[in-house]
Amino acid sequence: DVKVTQSSRYLVKRTGEKVFLECVQDMDHENMFWYRQDPGLGLRLIYFSYDVKMKEKGDIPEGYSVSREKKERFSLILESASTNQTSMYLCASSLRGGVAKNIQYFGAGTRLSVL
Amino acid sequence: RKEVEQDPGPFNVPEGATVAFNCTYSNSASQSFFWYRQDCRKEPKLLMSVYSSGNEDGRFTAQLNRASQYISLLIRDSKLSDSATYLCVVNLISGNTPLVFGKGTRLSVIA
Repeated sequence: DVKVTQSSRYLVKRTGEKVFLECVQDMDHENMFWYRQDPGLGLRLIYFSYDVKMKEKGDIPEGYSVSREKKERFSLILESASTNQTSMYLCASSLRGGVAKNIQYFGAGTRLSVL
Repeated sequence: RKEVEQDPGPFNVPEGATVAFNCTYSNSASQSFFWYRQDCRKEPKLLMSVYSSGNEDGRFTAQLNRASQYISLLIRDSKLSDSATYLCVVNLISGNTPLVFGKGTRLSVIA
């Protein structure tokens, strides 16, 4: 079974803090993704990565950065957390290439509250 | 126009009912299609891929209509445990492009 692990299920941070959300997958997947999910807005892609040290902006990258130093780990960084970044954050991974391979597997999510 | 559109619901149906969800996508170059299921406060999980010829998995049937650019999911003999949000998912181009998720259709199966 594919396992995507997010380091925290719940986080509470203060405005202005630097926040790190960590994601690790154990299936040697090349592709990794970070989404946020808010009521009525669905899943929105923040950043994704196709390989180590590579990153691509998604639909809503503002206020976020990412790091992929190792294949299995993809970190999402909030440089200066703001209240509008309170959300559920979901990490996903998939194999590279081919229609059948781009099934994405998700972690359990991190519910972040910024006060 | 949104890339993937779904009726948000909620669909409230009695146990044993048959329920169908539709989803439309805007890009005719879309290559692959999926239905994901998301339980309340949990992560999305793949329910089934959708193939051109249509496919069935137990009580679930998925259909793809490329000409009309829509995908459907049919659930027969609904169970209480089918209550969840069903996400329509499309890949615009084959390969490494991210999947595009619809906002989901919420289903409540009532005893």
